Amino acid sequence: GAVVSQHPSWVICKSGTSVKIECRSLDFQATTMFWYRQFPKQSLMLMATSNEGSKATYEQGVEKDKFLINHASLTLSTLTVTSAHPEDSSFYICSATKGASYNEQFFGPGTRLTVL
Amino acid sequence: DQQVKQNSPSLSVQEGRISILNCDYTNSMFDYFLWYKKYPAEGPTFLISISSIKDKNEDGRFTVFLNKSAKHLSLHIVPSQPGDSAVYFCAAIVTEKLTFGTGTRLTIIP
Repeated sequence: GAVVSQHPSWVICKSGTSVKIECRSLDFQATTMFWYRQFPKQSLMLMATSNEGSKATYEQGVEKDKFLINHASLTLSTLTVTSAHPEDSSFYICSATKGASYNEQFFGPGTRLTVL
Repeated sequence: DQQVKQNSPSLSVQEGRISILNCDYTNSMFDYFLWYKKYPAEGPTFLISISSIKDKNEDGRFTVFLNKSAKHLSLHIVPSQPGDSAVYFCAAIVTEKLTFGTGTRLTIIP
């Protein structure tokens, strides 16, 4: 199998606080993990690509100081939304690849973030 | 700039009939295409893919067609079943990055 989990599945926080989202590959070692966000009725947009032990590569327009990504092990990547604001409210989804090919990504169930 | 487009936000099909979902793209450098199925509050699930060097790939009830000259791909589901009701995303890869379309909500009518 290739199961990816995310925690929490939903979170509500106050404006100005930081929120950490975890992404775990449960039954395989993930060479690379990706973070996406999806606004209502829009497509999933790639935010960043992370490889274990190295700095994440952020897509154009994504603030690296706001969306901190840590990929400390081959089974865990975390996304921290710092000083969250209401416009950061979105559905955040991670994915992971088993090997060198990015063609097959296994997606987590997503995390719904609501910033009040 | 939406490089992968799904112009039909929704589609309703009678159970047992064929469902055809369409996707257009603008970047001729895309070299791999995928279709994902997504239920509410869940991550996308991989369905079927096709390399840019092929024009058709079939897997059970699912067939993907690629027309490179028209920069168009389609997903055929036949026969359609109630469990196929979901949002379907097409996606394309170039330089190891996955670009998603906006999705089409498919509803199968019993």
